Amino acid sequence: SYELTQPPSVSVSPGQTARITCSGDALPKQYADWYQQRPGQAPVVVIYKDTERPSGIPERFSGSSSGTIVTLIISGVQAEDEADYYCQSADSGGTYPVFGGGTKLTVL
Amino acid sequence: QITLKESGPTLVKPTQTLTLTCTFTGFSLSTTAVAVGWIRQPPGKALEWLALISWNDDKRYRPSLKSRLTITKDTSTNRVVLTMTNMDPVDTATYYCAHTLRELELSSGYYYHHMDVWGSGTTVTVSS
Repeated sequence: SYELTQPPSVSVSPGQTARITCSGDALPKQYADWYQQRPGQAPVVVIYKDTERPSGIPERFSGSSSGTIVTLIISGVQAEDEADYYCQSADSGGTYPVFGGGTKLTVL
Repeated sequence: QITLKESGPTLVKPTQTLTLTCTFTGFSLSTTAVAVGWIRQPPGKALEWLALISWNDDKRYRPSLKSRLTITKDTSTNRVVLTMTNMDPVDTATYYCAHTLRELELSSGYYYHHMDVWGSGTTVTVSS
């Protein structure tokens, strides 16, 4: 079955830039979204269509895409950004959604 | 404003069938490209997409669970129902429903799925 691969954890100090990657063979052909999930809460979209930011999401969140890798970039990380982050795209046939395994962002 | 709310039993026994209902407001499941999806999350684990039903009654299921899942919609009452048969303790999880935009990208022939609004989730424990 198709998989999206994320690092299990990323750690950064406040004010630094966090980069969370997501790799998948079909990513050159289809968009990815990124979700933030704080403990005990439902996921929230922070980036959609690789690079677009929904209204209400801080400008420090951005996304990039290159080949089989998409990246969530959080500039000037704040303590409140500590959360789990999931990428999501579609399967290799492009017919149903697939989530990555999630990355725990720790703000030191 | 779009809202979704999941409801169903909090405890089911092994081998039983789970029935979950997603009741939504603020959109119509008759609108082109609109879908409702179900996603679950076992304790301490990753999100796992389960199923979706689209505005035109197109249904998609997670391949590994397809034989156990059924999704239906009632556009008159704004509800989507997911049933999962033969429940097992490994199915213990928080179950979410989400408003999903499912759009065909003509350039690639692939569908783009955007789960932009989620319910708060309902926790289901499978135990005898």
